[in-house]
Amino acid sequence: AQSVAQPEDQVNVAEGNPLTVKCTYSVSGNPYLFWYVQYPNRGLQFLLKYITGDNLVKGSYGFEAEFNKSQTSFHLKKPSALVSDSALYFCAVSSREYGNKLVFGAGTILRVKS
Amino acid sequence: EAQVTQNPRYLITVTGKKLTVTCSQNMNHEYMSWYRQDPGLGLRQIYYSMNVEVTDKGDVPEGYKVSRKEKRNFPLILESPSPNQTSLYFCASSLRRQGLNEQFFGPGTRLTVL
Repeated sequence: AQSVAQPEDQVNVAEGNPLTVKCTYSVSGNPYLFWYVQYPNRGLQFLLKYITGDNLVKGSYGFEAEFNKSQTSFHLKKPSALVSDSALYFCAVSSREYGNKLVFGAGTILRVKS
Repeated sequence: EAQVTQNPRYLITVTGKKLTVTCSQNMNHEYMSWYRQDPGLGLRQIYYSMNVEVTDKGDVPEGYKVSRKEKRNFPLILESPSPNQTSLYFCASSLRRQGLNEQFFGPGTRLTVL
């Protein structure tokens, strides 16, 4: 079975500082990895994905994530946080071996303070 | 505007009273899914559909039914709701395989079963 762990329930960062939201995964076979963001009272929005190729993936709103196969991680990063980045972030994984079904992590609340 | 719509957005009902949550997408997507979101558990897939008349169980299908008679619509049916189905529900669609492609989410339906 495949699984995703987001080890931090909440991440606090000051505006202008770099941010990292952590994600580790477990799959058999090659992983397909995603980040989604949920703003209050809204549905989830796609940020970025890794399927194959370059380990550094760039996505929406200045976010990026680095796929690290040896550490089975896919951490979300942004060089300079904005207050408007405050939201709930979900990491998700799928794989061909799991029938391309998507499994989500529990989510991490990001709070950016001015 | 490309979107996924759900209705109703909020619903309070009583145990045993059948209900349907509608979902519609205007992007001609093949794949559609239903998820429930519970605190600390992230999103869990209830059912998904790969095309018209093709549906399959997700991770938590008990107590739910779905149908896919038209490509754009994917209603979620609770024949006899129970309090443990109190949750936030999201419908999502993707062009093709959900594990490889960006999913578009509806705004969510908050269901309370008394």
